[in-house]
Amino acid sequence: AQSVTQLDSQVPVFEEAPVELRCNYSSSVSVYLFWYVQYPNQGLQLLLKYLSGSTLVESINGFEAEFNKSQTSFHLRKPSVHISDTAEYFCAVSTSAGGYNKLIFGAGTRLAVHP
Amino acid sequence: DTGVSQNPRHKITKRGQNVTFRCDPISEHNRLYWYRQTLGQGPEFLTYFQNEAQLEKSRLLSDRFSAERPKGSFSTLEIQRTEQGDSAMYLCASSKELPPLHFGNGTRLTVT
Repeated sequence: AQSVTQLDSQVPVFEEAPVELRCNYSSSVSVYLFWYVQYPNQGLQLLLKYLSGSTLVESINGFEAEFNKSQTSFHLRKPSVHISDTAEYFCAVSTSAGGYNKLIFGAGTRLAVHP
Repeated sequence: DTGVSQNPRHKITKRGQNVTFRCDPISEHNRLYWYRQTLGQGPEFLTYFQNEAQLEKSRLLSDRFSAERPKGSFSTLEIQRTEQGDSAMYLCASSKELPPLHFGNGTRLTVT
């Protein structure tokens, strides 16, 4: 069965510093990969997605993630974070074995940006 | 695109009572999903519909849980004889044929 591991439950960082949130998945078949962000008392918002093509995907607010098939990873990075990036971040996978019928989520990483 | 709408936003109920939540998906989306999220955890899949057909149910969905999507538009999730362990955020999402999923703001259930 597919699963997602987010290696850090919390990541504290200072404003304007770079950050990496790590995500590994287990699947032997083709995958779609996603990062979602969740602010307090809200639902999940799609941050970026990998479906096919270029392994480096970018969001409109400066985040990027790289699909690494050999390492089964999809780490999220941002070169310079802002206070407003403080939130919970979830990595998710959908696989061809399941007909891409649903997303399986990791436990989340809480990013705390300090001034 | 008005987004996925969930009602109510918050529900407090006593143990043993029945509760029902409603989800209105994005209008052109034929897939609808229910997830449950507890504090400090990622969303856990409960069930999904393609149009009005319920195609998959998680083992998390006990006999006390039932979901319907009668006309392939809105959906309801009912929990009978609520227990304190049912306290969680219940998230609804919708999509076209494939991911990504678009999530609503959730219904937070507190069972006292």
